[in-house]
Amino acid sequence: AQSVTQPDIHITVSEGASLELRCNYSYGATPYLFWYVQSPGQGLQLLLKYFSGDTLVQGIKGFEAEFKRSQSSFNLRKPSVHWSDAAEYFCAVGAGGYSTLTFGKGTMLLVSP
Amino acid sequence: KAGVTQTPRYLIKTRGQQVTLSCSPISGHRSVSWYQQTPGQGLQFLFEYFSETQRNKGNFPGRFSGRQFSNSRSEMNVSTLELGDSALYLCASNADTGVATEAFFGQGTRLTVV
Repeated sequence: AQSVTQPDIHITVSEGASLELRCNYSYGATPYLFWYVQSPGQGLQLLLKYFSGDTLVQGIKGFEAEFKRSQSSFNLRKPSVHWSDAAEYFCAVGAGGYSTLTFGKGTMLLVSP
Repeated sequence: KAGVTQTPRYLIKTRGQQVTLSCSPISGHRSVSWYQQTPGQGLQFLFEYFSETQRNKGNFPGRFSGRQFSNSRSEMNVSTLELGDSALYLCASNADTGVATEAFFGQGTRLTVV
């Protein structure tokens, strides 16, 4: 069965500093990988996705992620964090068809002034 | 293009009652999935419907059911509500044209069981 691990429950980053959120997945075939962001009480917004091809993918709001098959990882990065980036971030793997997602437990990002 | 619409946004029900949640997908999307989000268990897949047929099902008891209509709108029903069913229920729609595409989520329905 597929699984996703986000090892960091909370991360605090100073505004303007760089960010990396970790994600490790377990899936037997070629994974479809996603990062979503959720603000309190809201739904999930897609930041970026990886289906195939270039292993470095660009997303919205200045985020990028790199797929590393050898490490089963899909870490999310941003060079300079803004206060508005404070939210919860979820990594997900698509399995059993693109419409069935397995999510990690999420990482709560706090941004300090 | 309108996004995924879930109604109602908030709901309070009493233990033992049943509840029906509604989801209207993005126009043209044929796949609708439902997820339950709780602080303890995180985001868990409930089921997925495609062209009015349940295509995938998560590990939830039979009290949780759903259906999809010919216009792709979907409903999920929870019978005999338990306190533990309190959660944010999220619906996602996907074009699912045979080429890999992403899921778009609605704002969710916050269900509180008292």
